[in-house]
This record gives sequence, structure tokens and C-alpha cells, in this order.
Amino acid sequence: DSGVTQTPKHLITATGQRVTLRCSPRSGDLSVYWYQQSLDQGLQFLIQYYNGEERAKGNILERFSAQQFPDLHSELNLSSLELGDSALYFCASSVGPLISYEQYFGPGTRLTVT
Amino acid sequence: AQKITQTQPGMFVQEKEAVTLDCTYDTSDPSYGLFWYKQPSSGEMIFLIYQGSYDQQNATEGRYSLNFQKARKSANLVISASQLGDSAMYFCAMRDDKIIFGKGTRLHILP
Repeated sequence: DSGVTQTPKHLITATGQRVTLRCSPRSGDLSVYWYQQSLDQGLQFLIQYYNGEERAKGNILERFSAQQFPDLHSELNLSSLELGDSALYFCASSVGPLISYEQYFGPGTRLTVT
Repeated sequence: AQKITQTQPGMFVQEKEAVTLDCTYDTSDPSYGLFWYKQPSSGEMIFLIYQGSYDQQNATEGRYSLNFQKARKSANLVISASQLGDSAMYFCAMRDDKIIFGKGTRLHILP
């Protein structure tokens, strides 16, 4: 158990809908990262937040947005969902502001868009 | 542009043998880090090992070592004395101002 929690574990929704994925980092970690893992794209870095501020941005679509709250939990919002957004979404956390090589990953949220 | 390439989509190895998983990279940044993660069938991502671009010695962590050849831009993972529990997907990744992952190599350890 990495100490990172993600909810929900599974999510099934229809195209055009909007969903919110939630992540609680490991105790003491201030950075939260979001990743998308799909069969065709592999594992892609989406975005990093550190202590409430956006820190680094990867291949995050404009339809996606994230935020980190004062209690350090983070949410990833996915809107106008398309079939291609079906993927496993990971949250990870680490202590400091720089992108860490040693990140602690949550179990992921499996999103299925039908 | 940053790029990570893992050319072996799948490998089968006999238990107790050593395994080398290939990884090549490309970056124009002189300061970067390379690392490996393991993803078992259960799905979680587990950090294995890290190598900084300025590190003089190859990184080692227990049965894992990273064969870093800077001139060749390669960062191969070596697993010594493989075990059945090593069967998993292995990802090579690179960090500079962001982080990118390779497509992964699926390793099967045969009893």
C-alpha cells in the first residue's frame, strides 16, 4: 500500500459527460501528479500540483482540468468525454516541488466511456 | 524533443537467469534523470531505480542495476537472478522539466 488513495476505483459513463476523479496523497507529500494510461498512448504525464499551485504540465487536453485543494487532495475533471478517454488514470504523490523520480502511485481509477 | 524508446514489447526468461531490459532516450537537456518502474498485473506502479545524468557510477538497488551509457543514450535495467515475482510490465522514464515514459516491456519469468 503506497498510502495514496484514489476514488472511485471504476467509473463507467457516456460520451459527452463530465466526471471527477479524486486523489488523496500520501501523508506529508505536497506534490500530486496525474497520469493517463491507455493501450495506444501508454503512460502519459498530465499535470503536477505542488501545495495547491500548478507546477508542471504535460499532455493534458483542454477538456481536462485539475486542482489541488488546501487539504492537499486533488481532483481531475474530465469533460465532454470521448471514447478515446477510456483509460486508467493514476494519481501519484511525492514530497517536494520538483518532479520526483520516486513517486508513490495510487491504485488508479479505471474510466470507461461508452 | 524528449523521447524514450523501449524496443522489447515482451520477453520470456527462465527463472534465476539475469535479464536486461533495454531503454534508449533522447534529450537536449544536459541535466536529466532516468528511472524504472514496475507494474505487476495488479496494476500498481512501483519505483525501482534512478540514475541522474551527472552520476558517475551506475545505480544499484538490490537485484536491480541500471546500466547507464551516456554516450549511447541508453539506460538499461538489469535484474539479476530473476524470480517468478518479477513477471510484470517495466517502464523506463526520463525526467527533466517534465516526465515521459516508454511504452514498456512485458517480462515473463518462466519456472
